[in-house]
Amino acid sequence: SAVISQKPSRDICQRGTSLTIQCQVDSQVTMMFWYRQQPGQSLTLIATANQGSEATYESGFVIDKFPISRPNLTFSTLTVSNMSPEDSSIYLCSVGGGRLGYTFGSGTRLTVV
Amino acid sequence: QQQVKQSPQSLIVQKGGISIINCAYENTAFDYFPWYQQFPGKGPALLIAIRPDVSEKKEGRFTISFNKSAKQFSLHIMDSQPGDSATYFCAASLPGYALNFGKGTSLLVTP
Repeated sequence: SAVISQKPSRDICQRGTSLTIQCQVDSQVTMMFWYRQQPGQSLTLIATANQGSEATYESGFVIDKFPISRPNLTFSTLTVSNMSPEDSSIYLCSVGGGRLGYTFGSGTRLTVV
Repeated sequence: QQQVKQSPQSLIVQKGGISIINCAYENTAFDYFPWYQQFPGKGPALLIAIRPDVSEKKEGRFTISFNKSAKQFSLHIMDSQPGDSATYFCAASLPGYALNFGKGTSLLVTP
């Protein structure tokens, strides 16, 4: 199965600023998934990122707040824009969906102060 | 709309006992049903997974039971240990799509 390198592992940011999270996969994958896990909650899908097309966002998530780039088949970024304390969460990228299941990055623990 | 419903929300089991967590789903097109284990401060880690063509899968102390007609699946942890204390998430997915997660079960195994 694929191996994902996710950066940064954690960050503390000031409200009103933006943070870009990177995920690098060791093999080419068609789709990448971005999740948010708020404190004490389950994982919620933010969007699905296909290479060469606009990301598909889930209800409650918008591109202006969470812009996603997918420049090639091994890399994607998620930006959390104009952050507020409510954005404090763990953000995870994931790949998979075939016979080998899914792989997750190690997560980015974001604290907004 | 929660596509995968998980219960109980929390569970306390004595060391050596059996922990059972249940999940139910609605979409009969789901074809992959994993369970994830998450410790505080860590990302979720795949524990065990099953496809709908089998009714049971066992890996060590962990067993998934799958009931296709009832649209339910469960995780059984045999001989539960304090080190199993964590949050467990069930999930389900359509082929090629993202996972849909249950809300999680916080398991505490007491000594």
